[in-house]
Amino acid sequence: SQTIHQWPATLVQPVGSPLSLECTVEGTSNPNLYWYRQAAGRGLQLLFYSVGIGQISSEVPQNLSASRPQDRQFILSSKKLLLSDSGFYLCAWSVGHTDGGYTFGSGTRLTVV
Amino acid sequence: AQKITQTQPGMFVQEKEAVTLDCTYDTSDQSYGLFWYKQPSSGEMIFLIYQGSYDEQNATEGRYSLNFQKARKSANLVISASQLGDSAMYFCAMSTWGDKLSFGAGTTVTVRA
Repeated sequence: SQTIHQWPATLVQPVGSPLSLECTVEGTSNPNLYWYRQAAGRGLQLLFYSVGIGQISSEVPQNLSASRPQDRQFILSSKKLLLSDSGFYLCAWSVGHTDGGYTFGSGTRLTVV
Repeated sequence: AQKITQTQPGMFVQEKEAVTLDCTYDTSDQSYGLFWYKQPSSGEMIFLIYQGSYDEQNATEGRYSLNFQKARKSANLVISASQLGDSAMYFCAMSTWGDKLSFGAGTTVTVRA
């Protein structure tokens, strides 16, 4: 069965520090991968998506970047965190369009202090 | 561009009663999928129900049903026989074939005993 792992679950980082959040998928090949951010009490904003290794599309200009070094690995990074980067980050995968939509990871709650 | 609108920021419902969560969407595509997700306080995104734009019958999954009115571009979620465990945030989402999932702002449901 397909599973998605996302870590860490929570993270408190000082302003100006780097960030690396990792997401891995098991049980599927060539998935579409996504990074979403959710501000407290708000909807999900798509940050990045990837349809293959090394292929990254950015939805909004920001202080973050994404990479896909392997087929089932998706990494969200920042060189210098801002206070506004605080939020709940969710990784998700899909295989094209399915009636199950996306499968989400358990999320990382990032607090920048 | 796709747009999802959820006009109810929060709702209260009595246990064992039904509740309807509103969702309207805007797209120029003829083929699309509509989804509802549940997000409890833990943050995980739980897929509830899916409706394809060409599906003639409303989707149902247990206590969840989707009231799909294509001409009005609405896809309301009905939760029947509400339970305390239904208290969560609910998101309506849409994707066109092979494209990214776009989310509404969400509706918080609180079930009262």
